[in-house]
Amino acid sequence: GNSVTQMEGPVTLSEEAFLTINCTYTATGYPSLFWYVQYPGEGLQLLLKATKADDKGSNKGFEATYRKETTSFHLEKGSVQVSDSAVYFCALSEAAAGNKLTFGGGTRVLVKP
Amino acid sequence: DAGVIQSPRHEVTEMGQEVTLRCKPISGHNSLFWYRQTMMRGLELLIYFNNNVPIDDSGMPEDRFSAKMPNASFSTLKIQPSEPRDSAVYFCASRSNLAGGEQFFGPGTRLTVL
Repeated sequence: GNSVTQMEGPVTLSEEAFLTINCTYTATGYPSLFWYVQYPGEGLQLLLKATKADDKGSNKGFEATYRKETTSFHLEKGSVQVSDSAVYFCALSEAAAGNKLTFGGGTRVLVKP
Repeated sequence: DAGVIQSPRHEVTEMGQEVTLRCKPISGHNSLFWYRQTMMRGLELLIYFNNNVPIDDSGMPEDRFSAKMPNASFSTLKIQPSEPRDSAVYFCASRSNLAGGEQFFGPGTRLTVL
C-alpha cells in the first residue's frame, strides 16, 4: 500500500535560518504529492503540491520538488519566520486509491526570534 | 466561499452519551472525508464519501462510530456511546473530483469525553 515517511520533530530553528523537512513516499503508481501546514488550533491548509515528476511546488517562500528517482518530496524554505511555526504534513494521493490522501506523521517546527 | 464548515467547534460530553458532529462541504465538491487527529495516532482517515455514497469506511474504529451524508451539502459523524478514548479533534474535508483537486479542511471539532 501507499505510505509517507517524514522526519520526526520537533525542529527548532532561529529566525532567518534555513529549513528542510525530509519526506519520502511509497506508492504503487504515479501519485500527486502535497505539503499541508497546520497552525495552532486550526485545520490543515494546502501549502503546495506537485502532480508529476520533476514538478516544483512553491508557495510563501516554501518549495518542494517531486523526485521520482528518489521517491522524495522534501520541503525547503530559505529564511524562516516566527510565523512559520506550525506542524507540516507531507501527503500523497493516487487515483487508483480513490484519491484518498495518505499522510505522513507530521513535523512540528518551532521558529524562535 | 465560506470553506468547509464544522459544528460544533468544541464538544464536552460524558462517557456513554451520544455525540453528533456536523460538516458542510464546499459547494460543488464531490468528495467528503472525515479524519480524527490525536497525539498518539496522528491524523487518521475514518471514512470518505463520493457523490454522497460511502466509498471506504475501513478507518472507522468501531461500530460505535457511524457517518451519513444525506445530501451533497451535509454530513454527520455520530459516536454512540462515546468513550474517553474518543477524545480527539475531528476534521472534515472536501474535494472536487477534478484531476489534482486538493482537499480543503474545516477547522475541526475538538471532542472531550469525560
